[in-house]
Amino acid sequence: DAGVTQSPTHLIKTRGQQVTLRCSPKSGHDTVSWYQQALGQGPQFIFQYYEEEERQRGNFPDRFSGHQFPNYSSELNVNALLLGDSALYLCASSRWWQTVYGYTFGSGTRLTVV
Amino acid sequence: AQKVTQAQTEISVVEKEDVTLDCVYETRDTTYYLFWYKQPPSGELVFLIRRNSFDEQNEISGRYSWNFQKSTSSFNFTITASQVVDSAVYFCALSERMDSSYKLIFGSGTRLLVRP
Repeated sequence: DAGVTQSPTHLIKTRGQQVTLRCSPKSGHDTVSWYQQALGQGPQFIFQYYEEEERQRGNFPDRFSGHQFPNYSSELNVNALLLGDSALYLCASSRWWQTVYGYTFGSGTRLTVV
Repeated sequence: AQKVTQAQTEISVVEKEDVTLDCVYETRDTTYYLFWYKQPPSGELVFLIRRNSFDEQNEISGRYSWNFQKSTSSFNFTITASQVVDSAVYFCALSERMDSSYKLIFGSGTRLLVRP
């Protein structure tokens, strides 16, 4: 049973560029959340998708956007990249009615902005 | 606001020693869950344990045990007879309600180094 898969594993982008990260949730899960983890910090909630809609959003600017597809997979897009966007981006999945019990996390995409 | 504090930035122990990781939380919710996750160098957050706010019974699961005290808002995690493979960053997390679903609030993590 595959867990949460994310691609790519690593990515290097130039300041001002745009990036798209991808996530496939664990089989049976319909809810995807994205977290940003800066170096030496705990993960911070970006937003959550369910039924192809953004349901909740953390304290992140509009440069961060996302999408969820009918097969529950999801994308995270970041526009106008800043050096401060360098981080590990984690995708987490759950069933909508089980989010209180926690999430299954992927291994993340490490984004470096130069 | 909900908050999780892990005061220990880094802990170093010798293999076979017991080690306790501290976690203090703040929440307005009456129902919530507390978690411990392990993050090895690969980056994946690995779920270890979960405890709900109504159950303060402390338990042991293999080499892991936890001490949940609602009166002091603490949820400490102990590894008995530590092993080199336990070396990782450990995160304490708290569920926070968002309308119809929940998100996780993480502490800043404790890096555990187990030396042979």
